[in-house]
Amino acid sequence: DARVTQTPRHKVTEMGQEVTMRCQPILGHNTVFWYRQTMMQGLELLAYFRNRAPLDDSGMPKDRFSAEMPDATLATLKIQPSEPRDSAVYFCASAEDSTGNTIYFGEGSWLTVV
Amino acid sequence: SQKIEQNSEALNIQEGKTATLTCNYTNYSPAYLQWYRQDPGRGPVFLLLIRENEKEKRKERLKVTFDTTLKQSLFHITASQPADSATYLCALDRSLRFSGGYNKLIFGAGTRLAVHP
Repeated sequence: DARVTQTPRHKVTEMGQEVTMRCQPILGHNTVFWYRQTMMQGLELLAYFRNRAPLDDSGMPKDRFSAEMPDATLATLKIQPSEPRDSAVYFCASAEDSTGNTIYFGEGSWLTVV
Repeated sequence: SQKIEQNSEALNIQEGKTATLTCNYTNYSPAYLQWYRQDPGRGPVFLLLIRENEKEKRKERLKVTFDTTLKQSLFHITASQPADSATYLCALDRSLRFSGGYNKLIFGAGTRLAVHP
């Protein structure tokens, strides 16, 4: 049963620390998304990649967030330095192509910054 | 500015009844609209996609309508069951028209549905 895998599932860290979240998209999917979900803002698109190239990261705070795809099986989202307002659930999702197909979400990385 | 609105209040219905959830949008011309289900502590799961040239889509007990004039989608669950209790999110994509064919789903905040036995 193909699925998007995210690690860590839960992370508690102190303000100022670096946080790296990892995602393994479904094999064969060439589009990868990072979303953030909070009670106040709902699901927000942070960044996405097609064929490993970043297409849009306009939703991401550039000063502290960075997203990369070192290879087709790994996407990373890094926050440095982390702040309490970054506390949220971060979802990675992947899609087979970029023309309206189903997006498959991972189970999320629950981040708490204290 | 672009806006997607879903009922923020939870919808409580009795088992066996039809649940109807609403998704309204403004300042969008979506090429298609999707509905997702999200359970607590889990990621959203895709349910249905409807394109701008389709009026209605069905899948088992689910039905989605899409009215581009009213800028509204309705999501129906017939013969609802307690297992249908979850948050339902609508998502729009306009990028096929404006952005060269890539996917940029924008989600509504979701409506929580509670089906009582």
